[in-house]
Amino acid sequence: KQEVTQIPAALSVPEGENLVLNCSFTDSAIYNLQWFRQDPGKGLTSLLLIQSSQREQTSGRLNASLDKSSGRSTLYIAASQPGDSATYLCASLGGSTLGRLYFGRGTQLTVWP
Amino acid sequence: NAGVTQTPKFQVLKTGQSMTLQCAQDMNHEYMSWYRQDPGMGLRLIHYSVGAGITDQGEVPNGYNVSRSTTEDFPLRLLSAAPSQTSVYFCASSPRTGRETQYFGPGTRLLVL
Repeated sequence: KQEVTQIPAALSVPEGENLVLNCSFTDSAIYNLQWFRQDPGKGLTSLLLIQSSQREQTSGRLNASLDKSSGRSTLYIAASQPGDSATYLCASLGGSTLGRLYFGRGTQLTVWP
Repeated sequence: NAGVTQTPKFQVLKTGQSMTLQCAQDMNHEYMSWYRQDPGMGLRLIHYSVGAGITDQGEVPNGYNVSRSTTEDFPLRLLSAAPSQTSVYFCASSPRTGRETQYFGPGTRLLVL
């Protein structure tokens, strides 16, 4: 069974810092990997999707990388802002169940002014 | 587009009661799914559907029923609520197979007493 781990569980940084969130997965036979953002009491918002054949994806200040062979993905956030404060979830898609996402427990990010 | 909508936002049930959590999407997506989110755990797949009339079980299907009579709607039924079903429930959809970006609803918070 796929296990997805996110480190750290929580992170608190001052505004303006560049930061890296880590995600690891045990089964490298994934179809893709997705990063989501979840605000308190809200649903999940998709940030980036990396296909298994890709190495990275970028959207604005966000950059996600994927290394299937080592079972790792990172989400890089440049020039962090207080509005980036949220929980970030990574999820791998694969296995025999169509469309099933395996989620990590998330990294709770706080960016203070 | 409203995207993925869920009702109700919050519900309190007594053990043994039944209820239906509603999910609808207006993006003409074929794939829809239900997840539950519990503290300290990643989201887990309950049921999914690859199109009208087609449903299948996910990781934690016991105690839940689904049906898909239209492309737009994918209700989740709790037959006889138990305290272990206290959770936040999220509905998600994606265009075709679930292997694309998945779009999540705002969630339904359920408390079973």
